[in-house]
Amino acid sequence: EVVLTQSPNILSLSPGEEATLSCRASQYVTPSFFAWYQQRPGQAPRLLIYGSSNRATGVPDRFSGSGSGTDFALTISRLEPEDFAVYYCQHYADMPWTFGQGTKVEV
Amino acid sequence: QVQLQESGPGLVKPSETLSLTCTVTHGSVTRDDVWWSWLRQSPGGRLEWIGFVSHSGSTTYNPSLKSRVSMSIDMSKRQFSLKLSPVIAADTAIYFCARDGGVTARHWVYWGQGILVTVSS
Repeated sequence: EVVLTQSPNILSLSPGEEATLSCRASQYVTPSFFAWYQQRPGQAPRLLIYGSSNRATGVPDRFSGSGSGTDFALTISRLEPEDFAVYYCQHYADMPWTFGQGTKVEV
Repeated sequence: QVQLQESGPGLVKPSETLSLTCTVTHGSVTRDDVWWSWLRQSPGGRLEWIGFVSHSGSTTYNPSLKSRVSMSIDMSKRQFSLKLSPVIAADTAIYFCARDGGVTARHWVYWGQGILVTVSS
C-alpha cells in the first residue's frame, strides 16, 4: 500500500500570500494517477488537480500541481479567502487507492 | 453535470449491517466506462476509499475492508449501494459516494454531499 504523507499539517498564511503544500509517497507513484482535492467545512472533497498537474474544470489558475516519482506539490499562488480549507493528496495507481492525512490552510 | 445523493440510517448498532444507497439525481447513468465508488471520512478527517462497482456490476474493494463489504448497482433505478457488516465503532464516519471520469480519468469528479453514520448501541 502506498502511504502518502503531507506536510505541513497546518499552514498559517494571509490572503494574497503563496501556499506550497507537499505530499511524499512511500513508493513511486505514476504522475498520471495523482490528484489533489480541496475540502471546505461541511462539504465533500472537490477535485482540484488530476494527473499531478492538470486543473479540473472550473479550478482557478492560481492553483497548480507539480511533481513526479515520490514528491508532489500543490501551489496556490495568491490565497483568496475561499482557499482557506483542507487539502488532500491522493493516488489512484495501484490499489488500494490512498489519501494523505491532509494539510489545513488557515488564516 | 452529475449529482449524487446518499441515503440510509444515521445510526447503526455494533455487529449489525450498515446499508447505504447512492442515487444519481441528475445527469447521465448510461456511460459504461465509469466506476461508482464509496469513500468515508473518519471523525479525525482521514479519507479512505472503500471500493467501487462498475456499470456491469463487477466490484473492487479496499483489502482492509474486503471481508465486510459488498456493493451493488441498479442503474434502472439510478442507484448503487453499499453494505458493511458487521460494523464496529471505528466504522463511524461520513460516507460519500462518488463517480470518476471514466477509463482514462479515475479521479473522483463527482461527489455526494456525504452522510454521517454513527455506530453505537
